[in-house]
Amino acid sequence: DTGVSQNPRHKITKRGQNVTFRCDPISEHNRLYWYRQTLGQGPEFLTYFQNEAQLEKSRLLSDRFSAERPKGSFSTLEIQRTEQGDSAMYLCASTAYRDKNYNEQFFGPGTRLTVL
Amino acid sequence: GQSLEQPSEVTAVEGAIVQINCTYQTSGFYGLSWYQQHDGGAPTFLSYNGLDGLEETGRFSSFLSRSDSYGYLLLQELQMKDSASYFCAVRNNAGNMLTFGGGTRLMVKP
Repeated sequence: DTGVSQNPRHKITKRGQNVTFRCDPISEHNRLYWYRQTLGQGPEFLTYFQNEAQLEKSRLLSDRFSAERPKGSFSTLEIQRTEQGDSAMYLCASTAYRDKNYNEQFFGPGTRLTVL
Repeated sequence: GQSLEQPSEVTAVEGAIVQINCTYQTSGFYGLSWYQQHDGGAPTFLSYNGLDGLEETGRFSSFLSRSDSYGYLLLQELQMKDSASYFCAVRNNAGNMLTFGGGTRLMVKP
């Protein structure tokens, strides 16, 4: 257990529905990242926050995806009008400068999304 | 574009030494990280190389050659619990965003 928690752990939804995931990073970690991972592949960067500011967003990220980190602590990732191709594990990671100058990222257990 | 190449599978016996190579082509490069992921688990940080050379942490070492766009992870005294997937990941920019390779599945046999 790295100290990063994610909820829910599993989500099954029907195509076209909206879903929201939550990530609680390690306390005082000011950087937070979202990744997506499909079976047999490495994690793919989606977006990242420094405190409450969203500083980078992958060009691959559809406008159906939105993320927030309103108070610089927990973050939410929302997917609107889900598609079957959105089925994946959604991973959250956090870090701070003290963690090898942000180079050590601590990953949560992920939320596995299945879109039927 | 960005690409990282690493072998898809490696098999070794308990007690042996194994090296997992990673070559990369990226538009920006700050450093190379390695992560371990057991089936059903989250990626766990192993090492980071920002400069050329060898970094050693216990049984694991990682090497980087920026001029060759190449790095490797060396695992010594293999144990059964080392059976997992290992990912190299490039840090592209000051934001520490990571681009991951496809992973190498290591199977350690008795």
